[in-house]
Amino acid sequence: AQKVTQAQTEISVVEKEDVTLDCVYETRDTTYYLFWYKQPPSGELVFLIRRNSFDEQNEISGRYSWNFQKSTSSFNFTITASQVVDSAVYFCALSEALGNYGQNFVFGPGTRLSVLP
Amino acid sequence: DAGITQSPRHKVTETGTPVTLRCHQTENHRYMYWYRQDPGHGLRLIHYSYGVKDTDKGEVSDGYSVSRSKTEDFLLTLESATSSQTSVYFCAIRAAINQPQHFGDGTRLSIL
Repeated sequence: AQKVTQAQTEISVVEKEDVTLDCVYETRDTTYYLFWYKQPPSGELVFLIRRNSFDEQNEISGRYSWNFQKSTSSFNFTITASQVVDSAVYFCALSEALGNYGQNFVFGPGTRLSVLP
Repeated sequence: DAGITQSPRHKVTETGTPVTLRCHQTENHRYMYWYRQDPGHGLRLIHYSYGVKDTDKGEVSDGYSVSRSKTEDFLLTLESATSSQTSVYFCAIRAAINQPQHFGDGTRLSIL
């Protein structure tokens, strides 16, 4: 069965600090997809990134970067030089390919990030 | 932004009344989902659809039913609302299993 763990329930940092949000997943499938979402205080859920299991290249988008390591089943998210606008709940998610009629999409419990001015 | 509209955005109703939430998409995506989000529980899947008239239960489906008679519409019905169904409800759409879900803005439902 697939599972996503985000061990950090809440993180507080001061503006301009770097912060890493951890995501560890479990799956028996060899083909799977990983995602990160952001939910700001306004409540909407915003898709940030998708990663395929066969592509371990790290990705950088502005101040955001993602480190995917199959060896440790982790897909961590780093925000560099954090800003107050980064304050949100961040969700990691996993989708397996095998036997998937759309139901195999599991969210982690989320990490609440507070960036203080 | 993905073309997803949830209606209503807010609703207050009384215990025992029927409630229907609507999710409308303009993306022609195959998969549609209903989640509820409650403090301490994250996102929990209620029902999902993998095609017109093809639906199945999620982890918290008791007390809810769904229908999908057209690709673009996915309806969630609470036949007899209870206070425990007070929550924020999100609809999501997805083009394929290797693609992300995209969410509507949510419906805040209060059952008194």
